[in-house]
Amino acid sequence: EAQVTQNPRYLITVTGKKLTVTCSQNMNHEYMSWYRQDPGLGLRQIYYSMNVEVTDKGDVPEGYKVSRKEKRNFPLILESPSPNQTSLYFCASSSRQRVSGGQINEQFFGPGTRLTVL
Amino acid sequence: GQSLEQPSEVTAVEGAIVQINCTYQTSGFYGLSWYQQHDGGAPTFLSYNGLDGLEETGRFSSFLSRSDSYGYLLLQELQMKDSASYFCAVASGAGSYQLTFGKGTKLSVIP
Repeated sequence: EAQVTQNPRYLITVTGKKLTVTCSQNMNHEYMSWYRQDPGLGLRQIYYSMNVEVTDKGDVPEGYKVSRKEKRNFPLILESPSPNQTSLYFCASSSRQRVSGGQINEQFFGPGTRLTVL
Repeated sequence: GQSLEQPSEVTAVEGAIVQINCTYQTSGFYGLSWYQQHDGGAPTFLSYNGLDGLEETGRFSSFLSRSDSYGYLLLQELQMKDSASYFCAVASGAGSYQLTFGKGTKLSVIP
């Protein structure tokens, strides 16, 4: 089954304790991305990766790190989590499809990781 | 920077038609997409407009006017299961990899 998986699904941690949220996709997609979703703010892009070893900042990258050593995996790292990083996190992957007028970046989202930083 | 505006809430009756508007301001533009998200679920892709005009997919249609920086999602023959949040998203930046989402419109379908 084609899917994006994230682990853990739920995490409660304390300020300053390093954590990693894993993301894996089995669709051989080039593009992967991380978002955070907060009430009233919608989805905001944290980092994205266009392919292995190619990453770039999204709109809210502060406090986060990513790496893309393999095509299927795109972990999100919080070196020193703070309470303002309490949020629902989504990983997504896609491959570009060229259509008239541009290229669709249809993103497939993982189930989400609910993170609470105390 | 990028910004997208869409209504925060819309209520409509089962069987009716509803339109969710989205206006955007972006430094680059590579198309407008729409995503649906049910409570507790992940967003799922609905449609994409790269050119001006209407795209139809079953009960859902999406429209784009690049000159007006405006688009909308049209849902016809509303069903209770259409109650969800709907997000417009603009692809900007080289290769359309940078995706900026609106804050979402919560649609409630009532009997």
